[in-house]
Amino acid sequence: GAGVSQSPRYKVAKRGQDVALRCDPISGHVSLFWYQQALGQGPEFLTYFQNEAQLDKSGLPSDRFFAERPEGSVSTLKIQRTQQEDSAVYLCASSFSASGPYEQYFGPGTRLTVT
Amino acid sequence: GIQVEQSPPDLILQEGANSTLRCNFSDSVNNLQWFHQNPWGQLINLFYIPSGTKQNGRLSATTVATERYSLLYISSSQTTDSGVYFCAVEATSGTYKYIFGTGTRLKVLA
Repeated sequence: GAGVSQSPRYKVAKRGQDVALRCDPISGHVSLFWYQQALGQGPEFLTYFQNEAQLDKSGLPSDRFFAERPEGSVSTLKIQRTQQEDSAVYLCASSFSASGPYEQYFGPGTRLTVT
Repeated sequence: GIQVEQSPPDLILQEGANSTLRCNFSDSVNNLQWFHQNPWGQLINLFYIPSGTKQNGRLSATTVATERYSLLYISSSQTTDSGVYFCAVEATSGTYKYIFGTGTRLKVLA
């Protein structure tokens, strides 16, 4: 079956531009996660949705970062006024269950480069 | 918060060799997964293993939750096994989010 998909796969933005990254989770998956992966590091948690409710946004690095999942399926991560330190791979993951145990499935990521 | 350490950080193997990767975590966990991140950046699920032992082909994993560690065994390694191996844990506090380990970078030589 189809896995988690993300678009675009690559994005180059000039410093100060706004960007929007899209995630299509596996159909029927209740939970959706965003992670940020800097070069040479492991992924770091940004935010978590259970259906359309954003239950945890403790990992968002600044108020320039905003995520939404209005209908409980597709999610968008928006970064306003991009800075060079925002350059990273942004990974989306989904899982079937809203309560454990569960397994997270990751998309291919969006590589953001801010110039 | 919970700390997740992996060892070794880097590993070079000749094709056909066996290896053991370790993941230590500092607190009790609800969930634990092993991932392989291939050279194209895709995180591939290897095992969902909060406790016990599982096997899948040449790979197997064991988690001893009471002693706060997990092991990933790779037997008869192939060049396609190259990449970075991560363990990720969810602390029992029920935060749902995964904390990823530091990773083991594996290179298998032909």
